[in-house]
Amino acid sequence: EFVLTQSPGTLSLSPGERASLSCRASESIAGSTLAWYQQRPGQAPRLLMYAATSRAIGIPDRFSGSESGTDFTLTISRLEPEDFVVYYCQHYDASRKYTFGQGTKLEIK
Amino acid sequence: EAQLVQSGGGLVQPGGSQRLSCAASEFTVTGNHMTWVRQAPGKGLEWVSITSAGGLTDYEDSVKGRFSISRDSSKNTLYLHMNSLRPDDTAVYFCARASPRGWLLIWGQGSLVIVSS
Repeated sequence: EFVLTQSPGTLSLSPGERASLSCRASESIAGSTLAWYQQRPGQAPRLLMYAATSRAIGIPDRFSGSESGTDFTLTISRLEPEDFVVYYCQHYDASRKYTFGQGTKLEIK
Repeated sequence: EAQLVQSGGGLVQPGGSQRLSCAASEFTVTGNHMTWVRQAPGKGLEWVSITSAGGLTDYEDSVKGRFSISRDSSKNTLYLHMNSLRPDDTAVYFCARASPRGWLLIWGQGSLVIVSS
């Protein structure tokens, strides 16, 4: 079974710090199929990054993405108070359809 | 601005049916890949169903044979027809417009479905 494993489950940091959120795929996937979403409480998710490293429209440049083999990372360079929410990675292909990671909650330390 | 506005949802008894609607503006539901994703209370995101721009459909295994996705071009609306509902179908259901690469570009606001007696 193909899975995306996000770590850590919860990340405690302070505003102004740098955050690194991990998403590991259980099998090799193309980076072009990996996306990141941000979800605020009570709201729908919002597309942050697509194709692993490209920012969606309107997303600040403090958000960036990288990939190394089956490991994908979402980095937030300088945390703003509104960044302390939940983040999901997601993969799509024609056979597996959509797979989501279990999410990482970013909380204020 | 392109957007999706959802309606429907609420409390339904086990074994019952429910239809969710997702009205699009500034783009056509028939010309795009459209999906449904759900989120159980306090849990993560789970893909439910997709209909492609070409009309192909697919479903997550646990809803196959019970849920049906459809589109109405005249109303520019996406639907999710849910039958034989079970308590573990309780969730907020989101519709979303998908790119051909599978990125979920635009999301509806969500519809809460509670399956309980």
